[in-house]
Amino acid sequence: QVQLKETGPDLVQLTQTLSITCTVSGFSLTTYNVHWVRQPPGKGLEWMGAMWNGGGTDYNSAFKSRLSISRDTSKSQVFLKMNSLQTDDTAKYFCARPDYYSGAFDYWGQGVMVTVSS
Amino acid sequence: DIQMTQSPASLSASLGETVTIQCQASEDIYSGLAWYQQKPGKSPQLLIYGASSLQDGVPSRFSGSGSGTQYSLKISSMQTEDEGVYFCQQGLKYPPTFGAGTKLELK
Repeated sequence: QVQLKETGPDLVQLTQTLSITCTVSGFSLTTYNVHWVRQPPGKGLEWMGAMWNGGGTDYNSAFKSRLSISRDTSKSQVFLKMNSLQTDDTAKYFCARPDYYSGAFDYWGQGVMVTVSS
Repeated sequence: DIQMTQSPASLSASLGETVTIQCQASEDIYSGLAWYQQKPGKSPQLLIYGASSLQDGVPSRFSGSGSGTQYSLKISSMQTEDEGVYFCQQGLKYPPTFGAGTKLELK
């Protein structure tokens, strides 16, 4: 069955770099896109970026040049890396897979809660 | 970016009551709208896609409607397990954008 699982640190220091891995199973990264979405505590959802099945990427301009998404298809992993972390980057970070036809996010990981500490 | 405005921000409903949540897009999104339910500590779950198509496994008391810039999610008979936060999301244009959420509680 389709599964996505995020792994990453609980705590990151101010101005440091966040690295999160999304390991997927039940589908191929060369067939489906994988997206990253984050949610600050008690707040709404914010789309961060995507890894396309063809290997390209797309980013929310709100993150400017801080964000990088990459993948290792042999390991079925997608990576998020974001630098210059600030306290308002404290959030739960999800990877999600959109349905091939509708584009709606029908599978999500459980998320990883990251706190940026000063 | 397309802005998604949800209303109300919160509401409470009695068992069996009909609930309606609204979502307005800042421009026509041509039914490129999804609805999600999120329970505390969990990831969002897809309820509706394409504005009105019910995701597999979602109870039929959930329905979506709308067109252009105005969309709504209806729960025809509120159940205990329907408590949670509901988000709309447009997928027509990148970046995908979400509404701020509607917190639904049982009265």
